[in-house]
Amino acid sequence: NAGVTQTPKFRVLKTGQSMTLLCAQDMNHEYMYWYRQDPGMGLRLIHYSVGEGTTAKGEVPDGYNVSRLKKQNFLLGLESAAPSQTSVYFCASSHTAGAGANVLTFGAGSRLTVL
Amino acid sequence: GENVEQHPSTLSVQEGDSAVIKCTYSDSASNYFPWYKQELGKGPQLIIDIRSNVGEKKDQRIAVTLNKTAKHFSLHITETQPEDSAVYFCAATPQGNNRLAFGKGNQVVVIP
Repeated sequence: NAGVTQTPKFRVLKTGQSMTLLCAQDMNHEYMYWYRQDPGMGLRLIHYSVGEGTTAKGEVPDGYNVSRLKKQNFLLGLESAAPSQTSVYFCASSHTAGAGANVLTFGAGSRLTVL
Repeated sequence: GENVEQHPSTLSVQEGDSAVIKCTYSDSASNYFPWYKQELGKGPQLIIDIRSNVGEKKDQRIAVTLNKTAKHFSLHITETQPEDSAVYFCAATPQGNNRLAFGKGNQVVVIP
């Protein structure tokens, strides 16, 4: 099925541990995004990428790193997890222009708990 | 940057009634306004969007209206059904900008 796939779906970490969330899309989208969703806070942009090999900071980038080595993949890394990073993380992708511009396709989410 | 606010935060409606969610935005340069629906345990999904060259758009039971002068846009759901229960997010972005500014979301509960 075409779409955005996130792995893993659930993860529990201890404070200070590191991990990587993987996002893969098969729609040949140029743009990819990582959001976090917390109760009452809506969707906040962490980092995004406008193409292979490029990344940029969003609204809440501190404590996270990203890489876009392949067009279809966008990785979100936590080098030293903190309890404040307990959240649900969503990856999304979109086309750059035309009718699909700014139309985001979201993954199902990755729930991360940091103890 | 763009700031989007949604009201009310929670809305309960009787099945069959209409629901209206309103969003306001701050950047007069914004020209694209989508609505996303998020069901429990799933990612948000686009349900309808509108660009600034039109004032209203309909798709079966849902519609979006835009008032650029007042800088607000609204989602209208008619003949609500239990499957309409979800969190709805509005967003806005200026032309040429590749980042959407999302509102905090509205919880809609349809009471059977």
